[in-house]
Amino acid sequence: GAGVSQSPRYKVTKRGQDVTLRCDPISSHATLYWYQQALGQGPEFLTYFNYEAQPDKSGLPSDRFSAERPEGSISTLTIQRTEQRDSAMYRCASSLTGDTDTQYFGPGTRLTVL
Amino acid sequence: GQNIDQPTEMTATEGAIVQINCTYQTSGFNGLFWYQQHAGEAPTFLSYNVLDGLEEKGRFSSFLSRSKGYSYLLLKELQMKDSASYLCAAFYNQGGKLIFGQGTELSVKP
Repeated sequence: GAGVSQSPRYKVTKRGQDVTLRCDPISSHATLYWYQQALGQGPEFLTYFNYEAQPDKSGLPSDRFSAERPEGSISTLTIQRTEQRDSAMYRCASSLTGDTDTQYFGPGTRLTVL
Repeated sequence: GQNIDQPTEMTATEGAIVQINCTYQTSGFNGLFWYQQHAGEAPTFLSYNVLDGLEEKGRFSSFLSRSKGYSYLLLKELQMKDSASYLCAAFYNQGGKLIFGQGTELSVKP
C-alpha cells in the first residue's frame, strides 16, 4: 500500500479482555516494528520482524504481549488479559530492509483499558 | 542503558531560528534520526546522520558529533506549522531498534 496502515484506530476494552491490533506495512518493506507511545513521550520499542522472523522482542513488557507476522507482511500485536497500564498508543512502523533504513510510521491504535 | 536526552519544551518566534539539542550514549551507536510529530499524528522522518557533520535539507539541518554523543536539529525561518514535537532517535548495533528521546515540544509564537 501507499503507507503503513493500522486497525482499529481506537479500541476501548475492559480489563482482563484480550485485544489484537493489526498493522499493514508498506508493501515492499521487509522489516516491521511495533512501538508503544505514552502521551508526551517518544515511542518505545516493543519488537520487530524481518519478514516473518522475529529477531528481537526484548521490549515486550510481559508475556501477556505477543506479536506475529506469519507471512512476512501483515502483523498483529496481541495483548492478553489487558490491564489499565496497557492503555497507550500502539504504533507500527516499517522500513525497506531494516538496520538504518528510515522507518515510516502508521497512524497508530489508541488503546484504552477501562 | 542508552539514554537519549533532549529538552522537554522550547518556545521560539515565527521567522526565527531554533536549535534543539540531543545527547545519547555512544557505545554501539550507529546513526541518529530526527522525526517530527504533530499532535495526534504519526512521527514523520526529517533527517538521518551517521557521519560527523551537518546535513542540510531546506529550512532544516541536522548535526552530529559521534565522539561527543551529540546532535542538534536546526530549524530556520520558523513557521507556525513547525509547532510540533521533535523526536531524536538513536540506532544501536544491528537490527533497526530505534531508541527515542521523550521529544521536544516546540511552540512557535507569532
